[in-house]
Amino acid sequence: DTEVTQTPKHLVMGMTNKKSLKCEQHMGHRAMYWYKQKAKKPPELMFVYSYEKLSINESVPSRFSPECPNSSLLNLHLHALQPEDSALYLCASSPREGGSPLHFGNGTRLTVT
Amino acid sequence: QKEVEQDPGPLSVPEGAIVSLNCTYSNSAFQYFMWYRQYSRKGPELLMYTYSSGNKEDGRFTAQVDKSSKYISLFIRDSQPSDSATYLCAMMINTGNQFYFGTGTSLTVIP
Repeated sequence: DTEVTQTPKHLVMGMTNKKSLKCEQHMGHRAMYWYKQKAKKPPELMFVYSYEKLSINESVPSRFSPECPNSSLLNLHLHALQPEDSALYLCASSPREGGSPLHFGNGTRLTVT
Repeated sequence: QKEVEQDPGPLSVPEGAIVSLNCTYSNSAFQYFMWYRQYSRKGPELLMYTYSSGNKEDGRFTAQVDKSSKYISLFIRDSQPSDSATYLCAMMINTGNQFYFGTGTSLTVIP
């Protein structure tokens, strides 16, 4: 088990649905991340929150909307997704910005139909 | 040229073998180096985290960094079938939140 918990583990949604992915960590980490990973590829950065403020948005389409309600929680709101958005969505955290490694959750496997 | 190069394999070895996984990089500003292990349908798990050149050992795993050659390695001794996974190297500069990943090497340890 990892110290970064993601729910749900699996999600199937239609292109008109609205859903949310959730991530929680209780390690006191102040930086939290969303990554997208396609099969046999490395994780690709989507968003970074540092001290609950959005610090990096890697030009992600607006159909993905992140939210950081507090220092332990990170959400990713999904709306009007495309089939090509099907992937493993990984949440990660690190103690601080810069100089500390990422700790990943086990991801949400998303299928868009 | 990618910032981080990693041979994707696949790599297949018999149980008990010594495994060597490698990454090269082009950006001399990288200061932190990580190795992650990812099992199928799971998230990457941090195995090793190093800062300086030289070796760092943890059980059967040894991480080696050669900053002069821009080359890092992960050695696995007495490999086990449970080591079968994809291994990702990752690097970062001192500041900021940007991590640069290799493409991953798929390893199978045959009993």
